Amino acid sequence: TAGITQAPTSQILAAGRSMTLRCTQDMRHNAMYWYRQDLGLGLRLIHYSNTAGTTGKGEVPDGYSVSRANTDDFPLTLASAVPSQTSVYFCASSEVPAPNTGELFFGEGSRLTVL
Amino acid sequence: DQQVKQNSPSLSVQEGRISILNCDYTNSMFDYFLWYKKYPAEGPTFLISISSIKDKNEDGRFTVFLNKSAKHLSLHIVPSQPGDSAVYFCAATGYQKVTFGTGTKLQVIP
Repeated sequence: TAGITQAPTSQILAAGRSMTLRCTQDMRHNAMYWYRQDLGLGLRLIHYSNTAGTTGKGEVPDGYSVSRANTDDFPLTLASAVPSQTSVYFCASSEVPAPNTGELFFGEGSRLTVL
Repeated sequence: DQQVKQNSPSLSVQEGRISILNCDYTNSMFDYFLWYKKYPAEGPTFLISISSIKDKNEDGRFTVFLNKSAKHLSLHIVPSQPGDSAVYFCAATGYQKVTFGTGTKLQVIP
């Protein structure tokens, strides 16, 4: 069973370099999300997309950009990485945007270290 | 400003006993409250939810209680098993987004 696939699993990146984290889902879900997980801060929403062709900003969008050209893919780009972007990044999807039941399906995460 | 708070970063419980994980929130407009479970090197997975119009929801060994007047919810796991050892995130839906707490790491000791 696939669900949500994230790549790479982990990456070390020099500060100032750009990086794209890939996310693909095979559930035909309308909504997709990017969260970052940091110790003591939980999961914080970076960007989201309620449907293909639309995107929106979450709690911590600065330094990140996203695109949603089709239903399945939702890449997250860091144009010029900084050490504070060291984190574990999770892509998630849901059948409908911000579902009433709140059930999101998560990928396994991408661990990014910016030096 | 943390709208969903989990004040206990960790909890240790003996196998077979009850685990109680707590969560407080500040926004009375949240619609649903949820618990997610996360194992190391995996993504969070949905565990159980409760509507804001209910005060209890039970699913097997897992029960979630909601106290709206206190803006508090809790997850009870009875009996606790070693496989329950994980990080548990409380979450709430409202304003078209899902807001997560900071997580509580549960360790169930055999």
